[in-house]
Amino acid sequence: LAKTTQPISMDSYEGQEVNITCSHNNIATNDYITWYQQFPSQGPRFIIQGYKTKVTNEVASLFIPADRKSSTLSLPRVSLSDTAVYYCLVGDMEGKSTFGDGTTLTVKP
Amino acid sequence: NAGVTQTPKFRVLKTGQSMTLLCAQDMNHEYMYWYRQDPGMGLRLIHYSVGEGTTAKGEVPDGYNVSRLKKQNFLLGLESAAPSQTSVYFCASSYHRGNTGELFFGEGSRLTVL
Repeated sequence: LAKTTQPISMDSYEGQEVNITCSHNNIATNDYITWYQQFPSQGPRFIIQGYKTKVTNEVASLFIPADRKSSTLSLPRVSLSDTAVYYCLVGDMEGKSTFGDGTTLTVKP
Repeated sequence: NAGVTQTPKFRVLKTGQSMTLLCAQDMNHEYMYWYRQDPGMGLRLIHYSVGEGTTAKGEVPDGYNVSRLKKQNFLLGLESAAPSQTSVYFCASSYHRGNTGELFFGEGSRLTVL
């Protein structure tokens, strides 16, 4: 299983762009990279998924370099409601996916 | 459309007692998962199922058993609870296999073992 490493915490201010990087040096060929958001006392919620290069949806972008040993979640113009824990998940079709310990993002006014 | 529903939401057990957590999904998903989350940590996969009648071990399966008798339900059992099993348990389901699609999570079941 590919182990993931993320910063423990990050601070930002409203309106700023936030980039959270996840390292996954042992990522396998068939592994996808997925990011989830979790608020206290709730289950994680899907943000975005990618395999390589760049993926963008209505809430975030995901940047994956060619070697796929890391990935960066980009949140444009964060608000107070984006304060949460963000998890990088690496796994394959066999169902064995590894969550890291997450990054606690605190958005300040 | 309730999504993923877990019952019970809270439970307190004494060491050695047994219990079952029920996960139900109404999205007709093939794949279902049980995770545990300890304070300040990420989620760890306990067991998962790729379809009705099938189960497989995840990262931390010891002390747990599971069953998937019906497609919409995934049960997690603790035969003899231990304090180390105090945790929040999350069930998830997915249309796509493994990590190739979105996981839909329940709201969690908080278990305390005294």
